[in-house]
Amino acid sequence: EAQVTQNPRYLITVTGKKLTVTCSQNMNHEYMSWYRQDPGLGLRQIYYSMNVEVTDKGDVPEGYKVSRKEKRNFPLILESPSPNQTSLYFCASSLSWEGNTIYFGEGSWLTVV
Amino acid sequence: KQEVTQIPAALSVPEGENLVLNCSFTDSAIYNLQWFRQDPGKGLTSLLLIQSSQREQTSGRLNASLDKSSGRSTLYIAASQPGDSATYLCAVYRGSTLGRLYFGRGTQLTVWP
Repeated sequence: EAQVTQNPRYLITVTGKKLTVTCSQNMNHEYMSWYRQDPGLGLRQIYYSMNVEVTDKGDVPEGYKVSRKEKRNFPLILESPSPNQTSLYFCASSLSWEGNTIYFGEGSWLTVV
Repeated sequence: KQEVTQIPAALSVPEGENLVLNCSFTDSAIYNLQWFRQDPGKGLTSLLLIQSSQREQTSGRLNASLDKSSGRSTLYIAASQPGDSATYLCAVYRGSTLGRLYFGRGTQLTVWP
């Protein structure tokens, strides 16, 4: 089954404790991206990757890091999480950046206290 | 920067009505536009993808149109059902910045029996 898998789905952590949200897709997609969804602000793009070893900033990259060492994985790293990073995070992928159908993961609820 | 607006923000209708959801964008240099559905606490599911060279796409009871020159897209839902209740989001790939995806804040639809 074609899918985008995120882990963890739910996490409560403390300010400053580094964490990684993993994202994996099984569709051999070139394009992957991360979003956060906040009430009243909608979905905003954090980082995206058009292929292995190619990443670029979206609208709200501050406080986040990403890497794309393999085609299937695109982890989101919060080096020093802060309460304003409490949000619902989505990973997504598509065949290429040229706007094929986008597949989303189920989301990761992150709370930073 | 691309701004995407969706009107109305919320809509509540009785079953059987035909609906029109609106999406507008400020930069007409888009690569394509995609409509998504999001159920509460879930990820997004792609409904329709319209390339910039196309005028409309249809899938079952759904029809989406695109007018690039005026910066508008509409999603038409025929004979609405309670199962259509969800939040509907539109997103555009900005043509001038490869890989950047911009979302509207969505229309929350409730269809009551």
